[in-house]
Amino acid sequence: NAGVTQTPKFQVLKTGQSMTLQCAQDMNHEYMSWYRQDPGMGLRLIHYSVGAGITDQGEVPNGYNVSRSTTEDFPLRLLSAAPSQTSVYFCASRTGGFSYNEQFFGPGTRLTVL
Amino acid sequence: RKEVEQDPGPFNVPEGATVAFNCTYSNSASQSFFWYRQDCRKEPKLLMSVYSSGNEDGRFTAQLNRASQYISLLIRDSKLSDSATYLCVLSGAAGNKLTFGGGTRVLVKP
Repeated sequence: NAGVTQTPKFQVLKTGQSMTLQCAQDMNHEYMSWYRQDPGMGLRLIHYSVGAGITDQGEVPNGYNVSRSTTEDFPLRLLSAAPSQTSVYFCASRTGGFSYNEQFFGPGTRLTVL
Repeated sequence: RKEVEQDPGPFNVPEGATVAFNCTYSNSASQSFFWYRQDCRKEPKLLMSVYSSGNEDGRFTAQLNRASQYISLLIRDSKLSDSATYLCVLSGAAGNKLTFGGGTRVLVKP
C-alpha cells in the first residue's frame, strides 16, 4: 500500500493564482482531512470528510474548497492564493467509527505564495 | 487560551537520560488523547494513544490526568533517534476532528 500520497511536494504561486493540491489514499479509509501547519501554531484543520460526498469545514476553511467524489481522493482547492496561505499542507486519513483510530498523514505539500 | 498547550522547548537531553513533558487542554469533553511524533520537515506519525489508566510502550510512558486536564509523556533512556517534535493531540466527543498542540521539541545529545 502507498498509504496517503500528496502532490505536488513543493509549489510556488503568485498572489491571486488558483491551484489544487491532490491527496489520495489506498487504505479504503472513510475519514479524510486537510491540515495546514505554520510555525508555532500546530496543525489546524481546514476541511474534512467522513465519506464520499460528505464534507465539512474545519477551523480555518476560508479561501479553500474541497470535494469528495470518491473514497480515495480528497483534493484541496485554493481559489485565489494569498501570502497568508504560505504553509505546509498535510492530508490525512483514518478509518471511521472510533475516534481513537490512528490517523495517517501524507508527506505534505510546501506552498509558498508570493 | 489555546485549546491545547505545550511547552515548545527545546528540551536538551543527554543521551541515556529521562525527559518528561506535559500538555494541557481546556475542553473537558475531550475523549481521546494521543502523542504523535514529527521529525523535521516530515509528516506526523502516531507514537501512542493515551489511556486513563496510563500506558507504556517500551521506553515511552504516557499518562492522562482528567481532573487537572493534562497528559504527559516520559521518555526513558533517551536515544539520539528520539530527537523530534512531540505533538499532543486530542479529539472531542464527536470524534471527527483532532486538535493539535504546537509541539514540544526534544533534542537528544551525545
